[in-house]
Amino acid sequence: QVQLQESGPGLVKPSGTLSLTCAVSGGSISSSNWWSWVRQPPGKGLEWIGEIYHSGSTNYNPSLKSRVTISVDKSKNQFSLKLSSVTAADTAVYYCARVRDIVVVVAAHNWFDPWGQGTLVTVSS
Amino acid sequence: DIQMTQSPSSLSASVGDRVTITCRASQSISSYLNWYQQKPGKAPKLLIYAASSLQSGVPSRFSGSGSGTDFTLTISSLQPEDFATYYCQQSYSTPRSFTFGPGTKVDIK
Repeated sequence: QVQLQESGPGLVKPSGTLSLTCAVSGGSISSSNWWSWVRQPPGKGLEWIGEIYHSGSTNYNPSLKSRVTISVDKSKNQFSLKLSSVTAADTAVYYCARVRDIVVVVAAHNWFDPWGQGTLVTVSS
Repeated sequence: DIQMTQSPSSLSASVGDRVTITCRASQSISSYLNWYQQKPGKAPKLLIYAASSLQSGVPSRFSGSGSGTDFTLTISSLQPEDFATYYCQQSYSTPRSFTFGPGTKVDIK
């Protein structure tokens, strides 16, 4: 059973770069799945940040694209998030998740399962 | 961009009540719609995928319906463990991009 675990600094200074890693266990990151980051500001809803395939292909949320880089390290079975030029608005719980691509009837559908437990990142000086 | 809305934003209900939550997309998304449950301090949990398919292990009191722009999550008989926030999420966009609804909080009446 695939499990994901986020790690990284819990405090980042304004204008700095947020860096997080998601370790995948119980399965290979090189399997036929995309791997995603989702965030949730305190008391607010969920926002998709972006995703990566083991080949290195990426897709990003257009609203964050200029500041986001997602990379994969197949040797460590993990993927990472970098978000640059952070402000207080980037304070959030950051989740990593596997994106399932499954054919239902005749079409490929995507959903997030499982998720990591999440890690709170606070942007403050 | 596809925008998602949910109604109501919150509701109060009693154990045993039938609860219905609505999700609407800004354009047709066929059946590319998923539902999640999130409890405080926890990660979201997948309930329904492809609008109406029940995720393995999820109680049968949860059901989803809809297609196009209007979707519904129904809890047939609310249980104490169902008090949570529910999110819809679309996966129709091309190129790949995912959007969540703003959430519906279900609390105890």
